Amino acid sequence: QQPVQSPQAVILREGEDAVINCSSSKALYSVHWYRQKHGEAPVFLMILLKGGEQKGHDKISASFNEKKQQSSLYLTASQLSYSGTYFCGTTSGGSNYKLTFGKGTLLTVNP
Amino acid sequence: DTEVTQTPKHLVMGMTNKKSLKCEQHMGHRAMYWYKQKAKKPPELMFVYSYEKLSINESVPSRFSPECPNSSLLNLHLHALQPEDSALYLCASSQDLNAGQNSPLHFGNGTRLTVT
Repeated sequence: QQPVQSPQAVILREGEDAVINCSSSKALYSVHWYRQKHGEAPVFLMILLKGGEQKGHDKISASFNEKKQQSSLYLTASQLSYSGTYFCGTTSGGSNYKLTFGKGTLLTVNP
Repeated sequence: DTEVTQTPKHLVMGMTNKKSLKCEQHMGHRAMYWYKQKAKKPPELMFVYSYEKLSINESVPSRFSPECPNSSLLNLHLHALQPEDSALYLCASSQDLNAGQNSPLHFGNGTRLTVT
């Protein structure tokens, strides 16, 4: 089942912060975050496993709320290079190892 | 530079043509994937190979035929495609299928396919 991402699009000025949410109605085992720039391949950002952990990667971090089946991606002090489409992908664990992507969030960072 | 290499980068083919897409990785990954991506849409899973055996076929039409000759190579054979099959075809790999839940997918840069 496809996870739901919000917002669909966001426009920032350089240095501003943003939060992208990903939620599912199914119990989740893992949440993946990828960024895809126009005309390029998706690039892995981070994975969060059930257990409510939080991860960080430079000024990009994420959390996973297992009870709410929701993950949030936090981009702080955004840079022009952060522009792109962000996809979350989810798996449900067990024998269902299929990664299903949300529809994506288009992030535009302007000078 | 991506560690998953796809060729060709662009392909234009007629509806009666037969062509193949190629994907190669040398990271020792044992799971390989084909995804299809339309403009402004997320990647959609087509096929998954695990240890060179087909593990998942997402009800893909038979005009798409995958092949995994060895652990480093993945092909997608195309025959009698329709214009609506035009899309970006992405290859990806991960450590193995079970680890795919908690290890990243490494994507190639894709093949931009146009069916005329």
